[in-house]
Amino acid sequence: DTGVSQNPRHKITKRGQNVTFRCDPISEHNRLYWYRQTLGQGPEFLTYFQNEAQLEKSRLLSDRFSAERPKGSFSTLEIQRTEQGDSAMYLCASSLRDGRPANEKLFFGSGTQLSVL
Amino acid sequence: DAKTTQPPSMDCAEGRAANLPCNHSTISGNEYVYWYRQIHSQGPQYIIHGLKNNETNEMASLIITEDRKSSTLILPHATLRDTAVYYCIVRVNFGNEKLTFGTGTRLTIIP
Repeated sequence: DTGVSQNPRHKITKRGQNVTFRCDPISEHNRLYWYRQTLGQGPEFLTYFQNEAQLEKSRLLSDRFSAERPKGSFSTLEIQRTEQGDSAMYLCASSLRDGRPANEKLFFGSGTQLSVL
Repeated sequence: DAKTTQPPSMDCAEGRAANLPCNHSTISGNEYVYWYRQIHSQGPQYIIHGLKNNETNEMASLIITEDRKSSTLILPHATLRDTAVYYCIVRVNFGNEKLTFGTGTRLTIIP
């Protein structure tokens, strides 16, 4: 399977603990996105990378959240001092952005479901 | 990005055409219409996109009105596997380019 891979699929943690999620994009894709989704809502944008550069961060991404894409390949999303409100599905997507931006298609992984107790 | 309005839910009989409407009355000339869907427990999946002409691919057809203020996604022969939440999104193709999802339409295909 050469799709977007996210690990772990599920994470249960206690309030105040740190958690880290990993996303492996489709290999030739230069863009990588993180979204968060809560029950009954559409995905909310968090941040995105063009290669290793983080180009935009949503105001939803508090100081407790940090994302990296160190070599322009896989990415990690870390949440420090988790809160119950952080419970959500965290989705990663990748895309190939070329000279025709309108044709950019995002390919999503199946997400990491975080539960903060 | 312009906002979209979609019905919260729809039903369609298996084998029939599913027509999902989307209103985007404030769309600007450089914004495209994109459709994604999300099957339960999976991430969203790209379906189709267009600017002003009707588009068709192996998954669906997209009909955009002449004034571009609304569009319809058509699944020609709906199957049970088409049960999903369908998102209509408008987006410029430069600048602040992220996809902004609304709450979509929950389409249920009935056997």
